[in-house]
Amino acid sequence: QSALTQPASVSGSPGQSITISCTGNSSNVGRYNLISWYQQHPGNAPKLMLYEVSKRPSGVSNRFSGSKSGNTASLTITGLQAEDEAGYYCSSYAGSSPYVFGTGTKVTV
Amino acid sequence: EVQLVESGGGLVQPGGSLRLSCAASGFTFSSYSMNWVRQAPGKGLEWVSYISSSSSSMYYSDSVKGRFTISRDNAKNSLNLQMNSLRDEDTAVYYCVREGYRELDYWGQGTLVTVSS
Repeated sequence: QSALTQPASVSGSPGQSITISCTGNSSNVGRYNLISWYQQHPGNAPKLMLYEVSKRPSGVSNRFSGSKSGNTASLTITGLQAEDEAGYYCSSYAGSSPYVFGTGTKVTV
Repeated sequence: EVQLVESGGGLVQPGGSLRLSCAASGFTFSSYSMNWVRQAPGKGLEWVSYISSSSSSMYYSDSVKGRFTISRDNAKNSLNLQMNSLRDEDTAVYYCVREGYRELDYWGQGTLVTVSS
């Protein structure tokens, strides 16, 4: 499975909203509502931010939201804060090769 | 508190072998599928291998199939990755990751594997 396509970088000012896209195909993103998003600060392990397209784990801010349309999923961060500056990766369940990740997006605040 | 602690990383020559381990605590290990995910220096995440809770199913990425073997010991709450015939491109931080339903909900801090002569 080829990696899902994400923009290399997205930037925004504090308080603004940004959206990161994640494009796959009909075998992964388009087929399953099993999209997850991970945040990774430099030197740290990734952290689950959203799962099943738009569900938030306990403790994740409601400033993070997700959606999907066709073969493209999106992560939106509203009320951008300095602590949101990090790398973000999408992932889709993909059957017997269970996970395919996105190429990653660096968010700059 | 869920904890996943990897060990076993280090420097190895091309063609060599290494065995990674992951000690799990804070949850019922035998009830969860587990994965290994790696990240080459400055690069993105790459899924490597999956094992079901009872070890009945195991999957590998094409890049490691035939060279890596995943296993687990539910009695010892441990996950392993035996890596043989290592290549330069296997150099990465390797993360031990718990699977929720179809998402990777808890990650260890990772262990660095460097393949170099």
